[in-house]
Amino acid sequence: GEDVEQSLFLSVREGDSSVINCTYTDSSSTYLYWYKQEPGAGLQLLTYIFSNMDMKQDQRLTVLLNKKDKHLSLRIADTQTGDSAIYFCADSPSGNTGKLIFGQGTTLQVKP
Amino acid sequence: DTAVSQTPKYLVTQMGNDKSIKCEQNLGHDTMYWYKQDSKKFLKIMFSYNNKELIINETVPNRFSPKSPDKAHLNLHINSLELGDSAVYFCATTVWRGGYNEQFFGPGTRLTVL
Repeated sequence: GEDVEQSLFLSVREGDSSVINCTYTDSSSTYLYWYKQEPGAGLQLLTYIFSNMDMKQDQRLTVLLNKKDKHLSLRIADTQTGDSAIYFCADSPSGNTGKLIFGQGTTLQVKP
Repeated sequence: DTAVSQTPKYLVTQMGNDKSIKCEQNLGHDTMYWYKQDSKKFLKIMFSYNNKELIINETVPNRFSPKSPDKAHLNLHINSLELGDSAVYFCATTVWRGGYNEQFFGPGTRLTVL
């Protein structure tokens, strides 16, 4: 079945770059997503990448996709304390239901 | 003006009770979901409705029954609550943006079963 895995925790210093990694198993995924969850809140879409792209850049965010290895990463440049949150990788299995399979979430701790 | 709202925000109840969680959206989206987030933050889809019709029903105990009275509402009723039902339940909607979809989550309902 479909599975998405992430490391659980990452700690960085303010101003450093953060890299959050994710692996997935479903080769039919057309889009892959990164969602952010701040404490006590629901998830918000941060960015996404189409499966035929290798890279997508959006301001401080860079998404890299290695489709052969089914590996996705999110790089946050110049990490700020406000970036402290849980980051979820998600893939979308084929079909038109909008169903997302989420990873376990990576807690990003940014130290001042 | 909240896009996806849930009530209640917190729910503490005894084992064996029956309870409901309500969700309302004012985004005009056709598709709504219920997710369960456990204590380890693992988020799993439970149900999805499209225009009041059930389209996703994951392997969820039949003590959980979703109901969609109209496109803007998706409620979750849970019978005979068990300790393992303690979690944060999120309602979400989705909009299709030319290929990819964006989901909008409510603030969550933290259910504690004692």
